[in-house]
Amino acid sequence: GENVEQHPSTLSVQEGDSAVIKCTYSDSASNYFPWYKQELGKGPQLIIDIRSNVGEKKDQRIAVTLNKTAKHFSLHITETQPEDSAVYFCAASLSAYGNKLVFGAGTILRVKS
Amino acid sequence: GAVVSQHPSRVICKSGTSVKIECRSLDFQATTMFWYRQFPKQSLMLMATSNEGSKATYEQGVEKDKFLINHASLTLSTLTVTSAHPEDSSFYICSASSGGNSNQPQHFGDGTRLSIL
Repeated sequence: GENVEQHPSTLSVQEGDSAVIKCTYSDSASNYFPWYKQELGKGPQLIIDIRSNVGEKKDQRIAVTLNKTAKHFSLHITETQPEDSAVYFCAASLSAYGNKLVFGAGTILRVKS
Repeated sequence: GAVVSQHPSRVICKSGTSVKIECRSLDFQATTMFWYRQFPKQSLMLMATSNEGSKATYEQGVEKDKFLINHASLTLSTLTVTSAHPEDSSFYICSASSGGNSNQPQHFGDGTRLSIL
């Protein structure tokens, strides 16, 4: 089955700097890769996703890149703000709709002001 | 964005009690709902996948008689933890997804913190 590895486990950045979180996956059949942000005591919130027919996607300060050949994808947050502090999870799935997600272990992001 | 509501947000009860958690998709029809369990400082672990009108599919190691799942409508799924014990204390989170015309990727509820005394 699918296995998703996520690094780093914790990341501290200064406000205004960029943050990068990387994930690798094992199943070449996976073609949907979402990123979730989880704040303390809440459920994960979908912040951006990418499908395998696209190499990069951007939404304001957030971007995701995908390298299908190498089976890795990354989350990039630019101009970080204190409210970006949270746990971020990457995931992989066979499709965006109705298929189970396999999650990475999570990254605790701390943005210091 | 799509809204998934989970209720209750917190439950504290005695050992041996059965607890029901509801998960509702408020603005789309969820053909598939998922139930996860999350221990402190860990990732989400899928417990079961539930399709409307059919029996849930449980992940390996998850007791189906312990964790009863019902997905009777396109907007509601319930998870019942039967005869709960302290080791069942955890954060339970549901998500909802839909294919077809609505094409909604998984959106999560805000979780239920279950504490068994």
